[in-house]
Amino acid sequence: DSGVTQTPKHLITATGQRVTLRCSPRSGDLSVYWYQQSLDQGLQFLIQYYNGEERAKGNILERFSAQQFPDLHSELNLSSLELGDSALYFCASSVVAGHDAPLHFGNGTRLTVT
Amino acid sequence: GQQVMQIPQYQHVQEGEDFTTYCNSSTTLSNIQWYKQRPGGHPVFLIQLVKSGEVKKQKRLTFQFGEAKKNSSLHITATQTTDVGTYFCAGREGAQKLVFGQGTRLTINP
Repeated sequence: DSGVTQTPKHLITATGQRVTLRCSPRSGDLSVYWYQQSLDQGLQFLIQYYNGEERAKGNILERFSAQQFPDLHSELNLSSLELGDSALYFCASSVVAGHDAPLHFGNGTRLTVT
Repeated sequence: GQQVMQIPQYQHVQEGEDFTTYCNSSTTLSNIQWYKQRPGGHPVFLIQLVKSGEVKKQKRLTFQFGEAKKNSSLHITATQTTDVGTYFCAGREGAQKLVFGQGTRLTINP
């Protein structure tokens, strides 16, 4: 168990809808990362937060947004969903903001858009 | 932008055979990390390499960081069925974001 909690585990929704994925980092970790993993694909970096502030941005679509709250949990909001958004979304956390620190991944949320 | 390429994409071996995956970056990396993702699971951190030419071992796994800090490799000696999974390298250039390679999926014939 990595200590990173993601909910829900599975999400099935229709095109055009909006969903929110939630992540609670490991106790003591200040940095949260979101990654997207499509079928048989690598891990695409979406966005990183550190202690409530956006730290780095990857190839995140404008339809997607995220935030990190004062209690350090994070939410990833996906709107106007398209079939191509179906993927496994991972949250990871680390102690510090620098990418030298190992990332600890949650079990992921599998999103299916129909 | 920074790119991290990993080869091969797939590798199937007989149990007991060796396995190697290679990671190449278009730019010099400040460090490289390796992760393993079991089927149906999440990536798990294995190791980080920082120094030029660094070699680290974990039991049957040997990790190397190239002299130019642009490439890395993971070698598994005498594979076991527990080694099945996808191995990812992830590199960072300076203060840039951590970029993952596409991964090498290892399957093993018992």
